[in-house]
Amino acid sequence: DIVMTQSPDSLSVSLGERATVTCKSSQSLYHGLGEKNYLVWYQQQPGQPPKPLIYWASTRNSGVPDRFSGSGSGTHFTLTISSLQPEDVAVYFCQQYLSTPFTFGPGTKVDIK
Amino acid sequence: QVQLQQWGAGLLKPSQTLYLTCAVYGGSFSDYYWTWVRQPLGKGLEWIGEINHSGSTTYNPALESRLTMSVDTSTNEITLSLHSVTAADTAVYFCARGTYFRDTRGYNLRVGLDSWGQGTVVTVSS
Repeated sequence: DIVMTQSPDSLSVSLGERATVTCKSSQSLYHGLGEKNYLVWYQQQPGQPPKPLIYWASTRNSGVPDRFSGSGSGTHFTLTISSLQPEDVAVYFCQQYLSTPFTFGPGTKVDIK
Repeated sequence: QVQLQQWGAGLLKPSQTLYLTCAVYGGSFSDYYWTWVRQPLGKGLEWIGEINHSGSTTYNPALESRLTMSVDTSTNEITLSLHSVTAADTAVYFCARGTYFRDTRGYNLRVGLDSWGQGTVVTVSS
């Protein structure tokens, strides 16, 4: 199985400041099929199912605010919230879609400082 | 707008079988990978497996020996069956829709899980 790790476990950021979450995979998530990195980011707010934010490591889903951005390739990926808003308080998960089982990272909790 | 509505027994005893159903309303049923994910309370997410409209399945090897997924295209429902449950199976279980883009060569390029059910809390306790 591909092992996904995230850092930090939790993060406190002031409103309007930048929040950065890192996700690493035990093997490269780049595949020549489509020339994509098969890495997805989700946001999960308390009591809710996860909501997809970004796929292929850097493509925002429809309706996701542009303060959310994803970057990275291979085994190292980053989710950045450029200006933290109150509604961004949540746990953020990465998931690899390269090979089954499609494993998730353990999550990073983001809250307001 | 697709909606996924799920239901099933929430309290089980060890060794019993967990059985959940997820109904899909709106949108196409045949163009997606229907997926189950679970989440122990306060913990991370575990991918359980997926099934397509023709019944082709891919299971998490960690659960495969106890797991069965099925699909009913007449009602647009998917079901999850996990037998011989233990306390370790206590979690919130989600159904979700796995999506892809088909590129110009006809390959399915996965983009993750774009719609989710509300979750079902399953507790295994004697």
